[in-house]
Amino acid sequence: EPEVTQTPSHQVTQMGQEVILRCVPISNHLYFYWYRQILGQKVEFLVSFYNNEISEKSEIFDDQFSVERPDGSNFTLKIRSTKLEDSAMYFCASSGRAGNSPLHFGNGTRLTVT
Amino acid sequence: DQQVKQNSPSLSVQEGRISILNCDYTNSMFDYFLWYKKYPAEGPTFLISISSIKDKNEDGRFTVFLNKSAKHLSLHIVPSQPGDSAVYFCAARGSGGYQKVTFGTGTKLQVIP
Repeated sequence: EPEVTQTPSHQVTQMGQEVILRCVPISNHLYFYWYRQILGQKVEFLVSFYNNEISEKSEIFDDQFSVERPDGSNFTLKIRSTKLEDSAMYFCASSGRAGNSPLHFGNGTRLTVT
Repeated sequence: DQQVKQNSPSLSVQEGRISILNCDYTNSMFDYFLWYKKYPAEGPTFLISISSIKDKNEDGRFTVFLNKSAKHLSLHIVPSQPGDSAVYFCAARGSGGYQKVTFGTGTKLQVIP
């Protein structure tokens, strides 16, 4: 069964550094998302992406965050200048063409900012 | 503002019995509801969904019930198995393929052998 893949599985970075989290969504999916989960908390929406542009973003997704689909397969999340509070699991998801189509998630990247 | 609520943070059930996980929502624009299962260090795995035009959807041991008037849904797992032990998230979205999915806070299910 096709799956969403994320790399790296764990990223450690120093405060103020830039990080890029990478995702390969399911190949025929059209909608792409980033979510995050701070330890012990709920899974929070960051951003949705469709037709090469952001469809919706949350208040968490400020100017320090950006997303890109640089080619036909990758979908990236960049954090320009990381803060301690950015430490979390970041999940990429994609969904298919149908209106009522579930999101399929990758296994996440654990980001640790020191 | 918590639009999707799971009021039970944990639930313990004996193997073979029924597990019932509950979820309430406040946003009347939600019309598609999902349940996800999550193991530690893994992403949420889609289990089952239901559209607002239905009140029940069944897939093997999993059944989701939707009560639109009460803004309530539940997931029934029968019979429960030890491998079902995980955190279960209720989620909801509005209509439109690009709409975000809003998650509840999760219920940790433990199935005791």
